[in-house]
Amino acid sequence: AQTVTQSQPEMSVQEAETVTLSCTYDTSESDYYLFWYKQPPSRQMILVIRQEAYKQQNATENRFSVNFQKAAKSFSLKISDSQLGDAAMYFCAYRSALYSGGGADGLTFGKGTHLIIQP
Amino acid sequence: NAGVTQTPKFRVLKTGQSMTLLCAQDMNHEYMYWYRQDPGMGLRLIHYSVGEGTTAKGEVPDGYNVSRLKKQNFLLGLESAAPSQTSVYFCASSYSIKTTEETQYFGPGTRLLVL
Repeated sequence: AQTVTQSQPEMSVQEAETVTLSCTYDTSESDYYLFWYKQPPSRQMILVIRQEAYKQQNATENRFSVNFQKAAKSFSLKISDSQLGDAAMYFCAYRSALYSGGGADGLTFGKGTHLIIQP
Repeated sequence: NAGVTQTPKFRVLKTGQSMTLLCAQDMNHEYMYWYRQDPGMGLRLIHYSVGEGTTAKGEVPDGYNVSRLKKQNFLLGLESAAPSQTSVYFCASSYSIKTTEETQYFGPGTRLLVL
């Protein structure tokens, strides 16, 4: 079974600064997807960014980018120019790839990192 | 296009009572999921479905049953609620055959309190 570990229960950053959230995972599979979800106080789970394991290029979405190190099984999220609206719980998640026979079952989540933005 | 919706938003039950949580999606997704989220934890998979009429167990299935009679709906049932089932429940859906989209889209959650 896959496991996802987020070693930082809480992180704090000044507004407009850059912060990096860590995530490591354990798997024996070669094809999979990795995700970062944001959960604000409203509890809605919002997809921030996704990465396909077969792609070497790191995914980016505006101020959000990842550092995907497949050999090290590491998947960190970098938030640039932090804004007050970025304050939330951030969850790293893993999913097997559908086309390799897996993926029908759900996401495996880490325990989350609480991100605080200091004005 | 409402995405994924959940009914009800909040519910209080007494131990031993039963209830059904409803999840609906209008994205023509094949796969649907029920997760629970407890304090200090990430989401954990309860049950899932890969298509109409199919269901399967996830990581924490005990005490729950599910049904997927229609493609757009996925029901989660608690036959005899226990305080340990106090949690926030999330439904999600994914995988459109047309796009092979892998991303799961989540509903807003249902907060359940069992006394």
